[in-house]
Amino acid sequence: KAGVTQTPRYLIKTRGQQVTLSCSPISGHRSVSWYQQTPGQGLQFLFEYFSETQRNKGNFPGRFSGRQFSNSRSEMNVSTLELGDSALYLCASSLVGTGLYNEQFFGPGTRLTVL
Amino acid sequence: AQKITQTQPGMFVQEKEAVTLDCTYDTSDPSYGLFWYKQPSSGEMIFLIYQGSYDQQNATEGRYSLNFQKARKSANLVISASQLGDSAMYFCAMREGRRAAGNKLTFGGGTRVLVKP
Repeated sequence: KAGVTQTPRYLIKTRGQQVTLSCSPISGHRSVSWYQQTPGQGLQFLFEYFSETQRNKGNFPGRFSGRQFSNSRSEMNVSTLELGDSALYLCASSLVGTGLYNEQFFGPGTRLTVL
Repeated sequence: AQKITQTQPGMFVQEKEAVTLDCTYDTSDPSYGLFWYKQPSSGEMIFLIYQGSYDQQNATEGRYSLNFQKARKSANLVISASQLGDSAMYFCAMREGRRAAGNKLTFGGGTRVLVKP
C-alpha cells in the first residue's frame, strides 16, 4: 500500500507570492490533516479535511487555506507569503472511525523556504 | 486548552541502554489519546505507540513502552536497548475525544535523542 505522498518536496518562494502544496492520502483514508513545523513554534495544527469539508481549524491567519477533493487528495494554499511561513509542512491521513485510536500516517513533508 | 510539555530538549544515551523521555499533558477532556512519534532527520513522522485515557494497562510495542500515570498526567516513553538508529526527535502528542477536536493532534516541543556507540 502506498504511503502518504506530498508534492513538491522542496519549494523556494519570495515574499508576497502564493504557494499551493499537495497531499495524496493513503488509499481509503478520508481524513487529511495539515501541520506546520518550525524551529520556533514547533508542530502546529493547521486544519483537517474530511469528505471535502473542513472539520477543524488551527489558529492561523486567513492566508492559510485548504481544500479536499472527492478522491480525498488535499491541497493547502498560502497567499501573500511572509518570511515566517518558511517551514516544513506535513500532511497526515487517517481513517475516520469511532474511538480515540485513529493513527495518523504522515507524509515526508514539503519544505518551504520564503526569501 | 490542551497542552503537551516535554521538558528535555535533548539527551544522550549509550547504545544498548534504556532511555526515558518525559511527557506531561493537560486537558479538561476525560477522554483522550496519547501518541508518541519519532522524526528522523529526513523529516517524516513515524508512529511509535499509543495510550488511551481509559486503558488500564501501559502500552507496549516492541522496544517501546509507555509509562502512563493518569493522576500525574504523564505519559513517558521508555526505549529499551537503544540502537544507533534511534537517534532522532521524539514527539509526544494528544488527541482529545470530543467530536469537535476531530483528528487534531497537539504536539509537545520534542526531545532530541542521540545514541552514542
